[in-house]
Amino acid sequence: GQNIDQPTEMTATEGAIVQINCTYQTSGFNGLFWYQQHAGEAPTFLSYNVLDGLEEKGRFSSFLSRSKGYSYLLLKELQMKDSASYLCAVVYNNNDMRFGAGTRLTVKP
Amino acid sequence: DADVTQTPRNRITKTGKRIMLECSQTKGHDRMYWYRQDPGLGLRLIYYSFDVKDINKGEISDGYSVSRQAQAKFSLSLESAIPNQTALYFCATSDELAGNYNEQFFGPGTRLTVL
Repeated sequence: GQNIDQPTEMTATEGAIVQINCTYQTSGFNGLFWYQQHAGEAPTFLSYNVLDGLEEKGRFSSFLSRSKGYSYLLLKELQMKDSASYLCAVVYNNNDMRFGAGTRLTVKP
Repeated sequence: DADVTQTPRNRITKTGKRIMLECSQTKGHDRMYWYRQDPGLGLRLIYYSFDVKDINKGEISDGYSVSRQAQAKFSLSLESAIPNQTALYFCATSDELAGNYNEQFFGPGTRLTVL
């Protein structure tokens, strides 16, 4: 299988920085996505990594290490509206995208 | 107007009933997908289609069937619904021309309850 592991829940304070980790099996890897999903809503695209390193987009950054089967999503200057689930998804063998169970982030004042 | 729409948005039905969930898209994408989402399990792929003549099983296709009536439409059927099919169902699309950059665009979801 392609186990994709991420923490179930995290809590952080408004204005702080939080890092959400994702580990996955490396065989057949073709790319990694992060999606944001607010409760009861559709997932929306945040970032895509296919090469090693950091991709920065405003307050959000995503890092990938292909050899380690590891990625993280970094959220800076947390806002209350960032409270949501964050889904790590890995594309295997060009067509097969597998999602992790998601990390529910709660931002507190 | 939303690019990916799903109907119905909510449905309550009884065990043994046949149910069809419909998905339409105006993005012009060739690829369409059906997922279900359950608490603690994330999104799991049921079926996917890369064009009108192409249907593929995903991780959890048992108990489901699909029909790709046109490029823009992809429907999911539960022939005889059972309670453990109670879940949130999402349709998604992606652009074949994007290659490995398989960003998926999701519909708003259908909440199905089977009693």
